[in-house]
Amino acid sequence: AQSVTQPDIHITVSEGASLELRCNYSYGATPYLFWYVQSPGQGLQLLLKYFSGDTLVQGIKGFEAEFKRSQSSFNLRKPSVHWSDAAEYFCAVGPRNTGKLIFGQGTTLQVKP
Amino acid sequence: NAGVTQTPKFRILKIGQSMTLQCAQDMNHNYMYWYRQDPGMGLKLIYYSVGAGITDKGEVPNGYNVSRSTTEDFPLRLELAAPSQTSVYFCASGSFGSRSFNTGELFFGEGSRLTVL
Repeated sequence: AQSVTQPDIHITVSEGASLELRCNYSYGATPYLFWYVQSPGQGLQLLLKYFSGDTLVQGIKGFEAEFKRSQSSFNLRKPSVHWSDAAEYFCAVGPRNTGKLIFGQGTTLQVKP
Repeated sequence: NAGVTQTPKFRILKIGQSMTLQCAQDMNHNYMYWYRQDPGMGLKLIYYSVGAGITDKGEVPNGYNVSRSTTEDFPLRLELAAPSQTSVYFCASGSFGSRSFNTGELFFGEGSRLTVL
């Protein structure tokens, strides 16, 4: 079955600390992977995506993610978190040619001053 | 540039009522989607469309209907509202398939929060 699992429902970090959000997927074909961010009351915005090539991808707002095929993972990282990063983060997997994405449950990030 | 526009943003329905959630995009994308978001469940695909006149079911289509008469518009119809349809609904669009321009991503509207009482 195709699925995406985000093991951490809620994470709290201090401002300036590093961040890693976990994502594991199960997908039968070549996975195309995405991270989206949702601020309160807003739609989803793409942070970054992985299609092929270099397994470390850079995104907007200083985020990066690493694709590890052997672990079926696509974890999101940021070296230093800012208060404005508080939001809900979604990992998603799907085919490149249709956009029919399968989303994880989401991880809510809280940032302490 | 408006992107993906959804109306209404909020709506309260009584059980058994019907309504239509509107979605319009101005980016000339061929694909459009409706997702619903429930707490702790992520987003689930309800219906999608690959172009005007062509729609298909997603993961959770029961209780909903869609149509796509133009490239720009993709309304979602709830015929007999039920409490289980209380959710936040997101419309999205993207350019995929054989077209030379492939966005490789979805662009989302700001969502429509629906409560069925």
